[in-house]
Order: sequence, then structure tokens, then C-alpha cells
Amino acid sequence: KQEVTQIPAALSVPEGENLVLNCSFTDSAIYNLQWFRQDPGKGLTSLLLIQSSQREQTSGRLNASLDKSSGRSTLYIAASQPGDSATYLCAVNDYKLSFGAGTTVTVRA
Amino acid sequence: EAQVTQNPRYLITVTGKKLTVTCSQNMNHEYMSWYRQDPGLGLRQIYYSMNVEVTDKGDVPEGYKVSRKEKRNFPLILESPSPNQTSLYFCASSLRESTHEQYFGPGTRLTVT
Repeated sequence: KQEVTQIPAALSVPEGENLVLNCSFTDSAIYNLQWFRQDPGKGLTSLLLIQSSQREQTSGRLNASLDKSSGRSTLYIAASQPGDSATYLCAVNDYKLSFGAGTTVTVRA
Repeated sequence: EAQVTQNPRYLITVTGKKLTVTCSQNMNHEYMSWYRQDPGLGLRQIYYSMNVEVTDKGDVPEGYKVSRKEKRNFPLILESPSPNQTSLYFCASSLRESTHEQYFGPGTRLTVT
């Protein structure tokens, strides 16, 4: 059974600092990995999807890397802003989506 | 606009009163699924559907029913809701199978008293 872990559970940084969010998974036989953002009480917004054959994916200030062999993915958010405050979830897809518990980010103005 | 919609967004009901949460997508996706999100337990899949008339159980199907009579709609039915079904529910869809990028609806917060 796939286990997905996100560390840290919460993170507070001053505006402008770069964010590094970690996701680890136990079974490397995956199709893809997807990062989501969730605002309090709201739905999930897809940020990045990395296919198993890719090493990284970029969108604006966001960059996600994937190391399948070690079971790790990292989401980097450059030059954080207060609007980046949210919970970030990673989901590993091995024909079934398994979610981590999330990292709650607070960016202080 | 490509989207997954859910209705209602908020619902408070009483134990045993049947309810339906609707889910609709306008992206011609074949794969649809339902999740519930609970503090400390994260997101767990309830049911999924590979295509019209094809549904299967996820990790926590007890107490729920689904149907997929049309490609765009995938309603979640609680025949006799109980307080332990109080949760935040999400519908999701993807182009084909579960291995494609997943798109989530805005969520339905259900409270069963």
C-alpha cells in the first residue's frame, strides 16, 4: 500500500523567502505525481503534474522535482508572497491516487 | 470554462434522511471519482467510475452509492446518512483512467446531526 508523507506539516516564512516542500512515497512504481494547493474550506487546485519519466516540471514561480528511485518529490516556490499561504498536498498516482497529509504554509507580510 | 461543479456546497441534514450530492464536469472526461477529506485522515477515495455504467469501490465505500448514467454526471448518494459521514466531499475527474491529471470540484461540506 502506497504511503505518502509530507514534511514539514506546517511552515511559516517571511515574504520573499523561497519555500521548499517535501513529499516522500514508499512505492516507486508510479505513473505520475501531482501537487495541489488547497485554501481553507475550499477545493483542490492542481499546480503541477510530473509524469514518472520526467525529472522536473516548472510553472512560473513553481518548480517541482521528482526522484522516483528514492521516492521523493520537492516543490519549490520562489520569492514567496502572502497569497501563497495555503495547504499544499502531493498526490502519488500508481493507478490510484494516494495523498499526503499536506504542508500548511503561512507567508508573513 | 472547463470545470467540475458540485451541488450543494454546504448541507446540514439529520440522521437517516436520504441525500444526493451532484457532480458534473464539462471536459468530456471518462474517469470520475469521489473523495472525502477528514482532519488527520487526509483524502480518501469513496467510489470511482472508469466510464458510463462502470463504477467500483474505493477505500471507504460503506454507506455510499453512486451511479454513472451519463458521462458528465456522477452523483453521490447517501441512503441513510449517519454522523460519521460528516465530512468535506470532493468530486474529481480526469480524461481517461486515474493516471491522467485530476481536476477537483470545489467541495461539499456535509454535516449530519
